[in-house]
Amino acid sequence: GQQVMQIPQYQHVQEGEDFTTYCNSSTTLSNIQWYKQRPGGHPVFLIQLVKSGEVKKQKRLTFQFGEAKKNSSLHITATQTTDVGTYFCAGTPSGGSNYKLTFGKGTLLTVNP
Amino acid sequence: DTAVSQTPKYLVTQMGNDKSIKCEQNLGHDTMYWYKQDSKKFLKIMFSYNNKELIINETVPNRFSPKSPDKAHLNLHINSLELGDSAVYFCASSQFDSGSGELFFGEGSRLTVL
Repeated sequence: GQQVMQIPQYQHVQEGEDFTTYCNSSTTLSNIQWYKQRPGGHPVFLIQLVKSGEVKKQKRLTFQFGEAKKNSSLHITATQTTDVGTYFCAGTPSGGSNYKLTFGKGTLLTVNP
Repeated sequence: DTAVSQTPKYLVTQMGNDKSIKCEQNLGHDTMYWYKQDSKKFLKIMFSYNNKELIINETVPNRFSPKSPDKAHLNLHINSLELGDSAVYFCASSQFDSGSGELFFGEGSRLTVL
């Protein structure tokens, strides 16, 4: 079945440093979504990417979808303590069911003030 | 108003017992889900319902039985609880025809089986 791999599993940074998490799928994706889960909280939708090579920005967050639609990345510039949490990518396989979003294992980001 | 609400938030019970978790969404979405998040934070889909019909059942043991009385509710009943059932169970909803299909999660129900 489809697998979505995410690296790194953990990342600890000093406040102000940049952070990137990478997501790779074993199959081509029709779209990819990113979620953030604060400690003790629930996943919250951040963004969806649909087009090959798409780049979207949300303030200090930059999301990219690979040309082959099999990988994606989330980059945070100048991290803040409010960025702490686990970032998940989730993909829908191309030609597959929209109802089956497969999540990566997430990257836990901790930020030292 | 909470968009996706689930009860109870915490559940502590003994092995072998039966328990239920309820979920309601007031977003008018057609699709609802149950996800299980284990101690390593891995989020795995269990079930998906669209307009009260089961469309995804991810090889979940028969001890887990979802029920959707209407499209705003999706409940999860678990029989004969086992230690490995301890996890956080998230309910979620989505709508595809008028949105991106993004998931709106409830706050989670933490189940501890002793």
